[in-house]
Amino acid sequence: RKEVEQDPGPFNVPEGATVAFNCTYSNSASQSFFWYRQDCRKEPKLLMSVYSSGNEDGRFTAQLNRASQYISLLIRDSKLSDSATYLCVVNRDDKIIFGKGTRLHILP
Amino acid sequence: GAVVSQHPSRVICKSGTSVKIECRSLDFQATTMFWYRQFPKKSLMLMATSNEGSKATYEQGVEKDKFLINHASLTLSTLTVTSAHPEDSSFYICSASKDRAYEQYFGPGTRLTVT
Repeated sequence: RKEVEQDPGPFNVPEGATVAFNCTYSNSASQSFFWYRQDCRKEPKLLMSVYSSGNEDGRFTAQLNRASQYISLLIRDSKLSDSATYLCVVNRDDKIIFGKGTRLHILP
Repeated sequence: GAVVSQHPSRVICKSGTSVKIECRSLDFQATTMFWYRQFPKKSLMLMATSNEGSKATYEQGVEKDKFLINHASLTLSTLTVTSAHPEDSSFYICSASKDRAYEQYFGPGTRLTVT
């Protein structure tokens, strides 16, 4: 089992809809959690850090569930520009593990 | 803030030659820099982690004599692909972290093609 797993998608979602995806991690000692977005043939960009209390940034909400060992990303009122690959990143003992990403396509 | 540059953005070289890629944090001091490679439609693969003034820590399976990393200062790290071969062709991306929170800021990447 991979240490960080994501549904690769693609998620095809109409503009304006709400979309959510999860990322599961297998090691309970994992300490820090992040969501990055990566556009095609570009570098990843930090979207949000994920805190135990959950955090929100505009249309984006990230949550951490330590008991079930997953993090989630919710995007409300999706825009065409949200189309990208969303990477889940977990940090444990100075190791950084990337999920393979979830592809999101927002449809006009 | 938190801008990372990478140079060159694209390089084509002949098999057997060496290529150096620079990664700079432009507006912050990076305690740690990371080097990744990414094949088309695949996820990032961490190659090595480097801290200023110390030897890089390489991931399993990454040849340290082939991928030389130098982290000369808190704002500059270099990756040298020595004796490059066509299978080294890839997208190489660096990132920099300000602190141990491990929020990473990525450079724009270098596309290496070895002919």
